[in-house]
Amino acid sequence: KAGVTQTPRYLIKTRGQQVTLSCSPISGHRSVSWYQQTPGQGLQFLFEYFSETQRNKGNFPGRFSGRQFSNSRSEMNVSTLELGDSALYLCASYTGDSTYNEQFFGPGTRLTVL
Amino acid sequence: GENVEQHPSTLSVQEGDSAVIKCTYSDSASNYFPWYKQELGKRPQLIIDIRSNVGEKKDQRIAVTLNKTAKHFSLHITETQPEDSAVYFCAATSSGGSYIPTFGRGTSLIVHP
Repeated sequence: KAGVTQTPRYLIKTRGQQVTLSCSPISGHRSVSWYQQTPGQGLQFLFEYFSETQRNKGNFPGRFSGRQFSNSRSEMNVSTLELGDSALYLCASYTGDSTYNEQFFGPGTRLTVL
Repeated sequence: GENVEQHPSTLSVQEGDSAVIKCTYSDSASNYFPWYKQELGKRPQLIIDIRSNVGEKKDQRIAVTLNKTAKHFSLHITETQPEDSAVYFCAATSSGGSYIPTFGRGTSLIVHP
C-alpha cells in the first residue's frame, strides 16, 4: 500500500497570507486527522474528518479550517498567517471506525511564516 | 476531555542501559494506549500499543506496562542502541466517543555510544 503523502513539503509565507496544505491518505482509510507540531508542544490536534464530515475539532482559532473530499483526500487552510503558525503540520490517516486504530502519519509540511 | 502527561521530556542514557518513559492519563474510559517513535526529520510511527484488558506487552527490546487503577502506563526499552535515539510519544484513546488519541508532549531519548 502506498503511504500517506502530503504536499507541499515546505512552504514559506509572510504574515497575513493564507496557505492550503494537502494530505492524501492510505487507500481505504476514511479518516484524516491534522496535527500541529512545534518543539516542546508535542502533537496538537487540529481537526479530524471522517467521510467528508468534520467529526472532531481541537482548540485552534477559526483561521484554521479544513475539508475532506469524496476520495478521502483532505486539505487544511490557514488564513491570515501569524508568526506563531510556523510549525510542522502532520496529517494522519486511519480507518476511523475503532478506538484501536493505528494512525499512519504523513511526512509533514514544514510551514515557515516570516 | 482526556489529558496525557509524559515524563521526562528529555532522557539521556548510555548505550546498553535501559530507558523508561512514563505517562499518566485522566479519562478512566481510555482503553487504548499506543506509543509512537519519531526519528529526526521523519514521521511518527507506531512501535507498540496496549489495550486496557492487558497489563503488559513485549516486543523484543521494548515493553509497555499499564496500571489502570493508577491511570499510568510506561514504555521500557532495554539494551538501548544509538538507533533508539528519537522522540517518543505516548497516547491514550478513549472509548467514550472520539477515536482521536490524545498525545503526550513527547520524550527526547538520546542514546550515547
